[in-house]
Amino acid sequence: DTEVTQTPKHLVMGMTNKKSLKCEQHMGHRAMYWYKQKAKKPPELMFVYSYEKLSINESVPSRFSPECPNSSLLNLHLHALQPEDSALYLCASSQSGESSGNTIYFGEGSWLTVV
Amino acid sequence: AQKITQTQPGMFVQEKEAVTLDCTYDTSDQSYGLFWYKQPSSGEMIFLIYQGSYDEQNATEGRYSLNFQKARKSANLVISASQLGDSAMYFCAMREGRRNTGGFKTIFGAGTRLFVKA
Repeated sequence: DTEVTQTPKHLVMGMTNKKSLKCEQHMGHRAMYWYKQKAKKPPELMFVYSYEKLSINESVPSRFSPECPNSSLLNLHLHALQPEDSALYLCASSQSGESSGNTIYFGEGSWLTVV
Repeated sequence: AQKITQTQPGMFVQEKEAVTLDCTYDTSDQSYGLFWYKQPSSGEMIFLIYQGSYDEQNATEGRYSLNFQKARKSANLVISASQLGDSAMYFCAMREGRRNTGGFKTIFGAGTRLFVKA
């Protein structure tokens, strides 16, 4: 079983709704990530937090707002999304952001549908 | 720019046989990490195996081994004794070895769908 826990597993939201995806890890990792994956495509990096600070934002639209309240938690706040934002959202963590050898461990993902 | 190429969209293998999934990469970094992940239809990305650019030995993890040929920039995954549960999407990934505004990025290839036949 994965040690990165994501909730909810499935979410359906309207374009005017505000919702959040949550992610938690208890492996003592100091880097956390959000990836977006469309059907039959590889994951695409959205955000990287290193030591609870945002270190990479891959030009993600502002309707996606990440938050890292502490080293174990990572949230993704969603507001005014579009149907094309429907995808699998994967949270991941690694020991730190500072080595090419740090394995990224993923959660089971949150399936998001925007209607 | 870093790039990962998986040229096999789909592969079939008979149960109990071995299969090789191809991966080539392109990078100008001297220090990098190569990873393979398995993604069943449930969506979870499962880490399988890691190879560091300075590792001289090919990585092995149970039935998984990584055929690392640095000069050719290839990192093929070999699955021995295939099982029905191995049917899934497999992604090759590479992690940059230098700082990038304080964080490191991992990029993924397009993936290979493996079908194991009974």
